Amino acid sequence: DTGVSQDPRHKITKRGQNVTFRCDPISEHNRLYWYRQTLGQGPEFLTYFQNEAQLEKSRLLSDRFSAERPKGSFSTLEIQRTEQGDSAMYLCASSFSPGQGHYGYTFGSGTRLTVV
Amino acid sequence: RKEVEQDPGPFNVPEGATVAFNCTYSNSASQSFFWYRQDCRKEPKLLMSVYSSGNEDGRFTAQLNRASQYISLLIRDSKLSDSATYLCAVNMGPNDYKLSFGAGTTVTVRA
Repeated sequence: DTGVSQDPRHKITKRGQNVTFRCDPISEHNRLYWYRQTLGQGPEFLTYFQNEAQLEKSRLLSDRFSAERPKGSFSTLEIQRTEQGDSAMYLCASSFSPGQGHYGYTFGSGTRLTVV
Repeated sequence: RKEVEQDPGPFNVPEGATVAFNCTYSNSASQSFFWYRQDCRKEPKLLMSVYSSGNEDGRFTAQLNRASQYISLLIRDSKLSDSATYLCAVNMGPNDYKLSFGAGTTVTVRA
């Protein structure tokens, strides 16, 4: 296990279509995060999981967005009825946080979404 | 006020120079602080954590000023390979496991 894997690397879709992205975290990590990043901005938090439980969702995550992490392993992020404003880099990250303390994230390479 | 703010730069410095920049955060309860490096069209990579007493990793020094709610990053003896965007990341409280990121500070090191 060499890191966080995301698939696909690039996705071009027509407005109104649904898309799904996959993230495979580092196997020892118990937390998994989804972020979105647009040009010139830092990553914006979307949602995160501790094991299989989705613990927090951002207000940015409209009802067109849904994320799952079945069995606490890989995660999927689905965007329904895509809009041009959804075009961004979608980053997945994982971390290991035993109790208190935070050791930072490891990010995947991201999925670059272009909605045309 | 944004949760995390950074001077966007760009900081354009010659090789060998020292460059330093700050990141301010809004929540006094924040406890975890990090600097990430991001190359163009790549994912952010953890550069270093920031500890209360300040810490150093080779040419990089990070400091935390809780009273004024900012962290800083100093790069000594800049290399061409240090050219990147530097993102600061902060959690918003002791039980907050998500990180809030600044928009990044761009550093360009010229020959």
